[in-house]
Amino acid sequence: AQKVTQAQTEISVVEKEDVTLDCVYETRDTTYYLFWYKQPPSGELVFLIRRNSFDEQNEISGRYSWNFQKSTSSFNFTITASQVVDSAVYFCALSSYNQGGKLIFGQGTELSVKP
Amino acid sequence: KAGVTQTPRYLIKTRGQQVTLSCSPISGHRSVSWYQQTPGQGLQFLFEYFSETQRNKGNFPGRFSGRQFSNSRSEMNVSTLELGDSALYLCASSFIPLGGDTEAFFGQGTRLTVV
Repeated sequence: AQKVTQAQTEISVVEKEDVTLDCVYETRDTTYYLFWYKQPPSGELVFLIRRNSFDEQNEISGRYSWNFQKSTSSFNFTITASQVVDSAVYFCALSSYNQGGKLIFGQGTELSVKP
Repeated sequence: KAGVTQTPRYLIKTRGQQVTLSCSPISGHRSVSWYQQTPGQGLQFLFEYFSETQRNKGNFPGRFSGRQFSNSRSEMNVSTLELGDSALYLCASSFIPLGGDTEAFFGQGTRLTVV
């Protein structure tokens, strides 16, 4: 069975601190895709990144970076120098061909960045 | 390029009624999937459509149904509403079905309240 675990339910940091959101996944498929989404209070899920299982290169986009490690089945997300606008719920998700057209989401991590 | 459009944004219905939600995907995208988000259960997959065919269905009762039209727009219907159907319903649009090498973009959701 496929599963995504985000063990951190809530994280609170002060502005300019770095913060890492953890994501651990389970799958037996060899080809799969991992995603991160941001959900602000408005409700829309905003796409942040997609990574396929054959690409373990870390990715950096501005203040955001992602660390994908197949050996530990983890796909962690780090925000450097956090800002108040980063406050949201962040979801990690998994999809694979054998699971049909669906995303399997973790429970989400609510990040609160205080000024 | 317009994003994913969901209508209406908010709905209030009474128990026993039925409701239809609409999703217009990004132009050129042929796959639409639906998710239910509740505080207790998180984000759960409802169903996925590609080229007017339902390819996959989540573990929801038959009261939940959907369809996709030739222009890729999709509707989902919930009949005989129950209080537990109160949720944020999110639609995702992708070029090909998830599980393949594609990103998925979400609409702002329809917040359904059943009273």
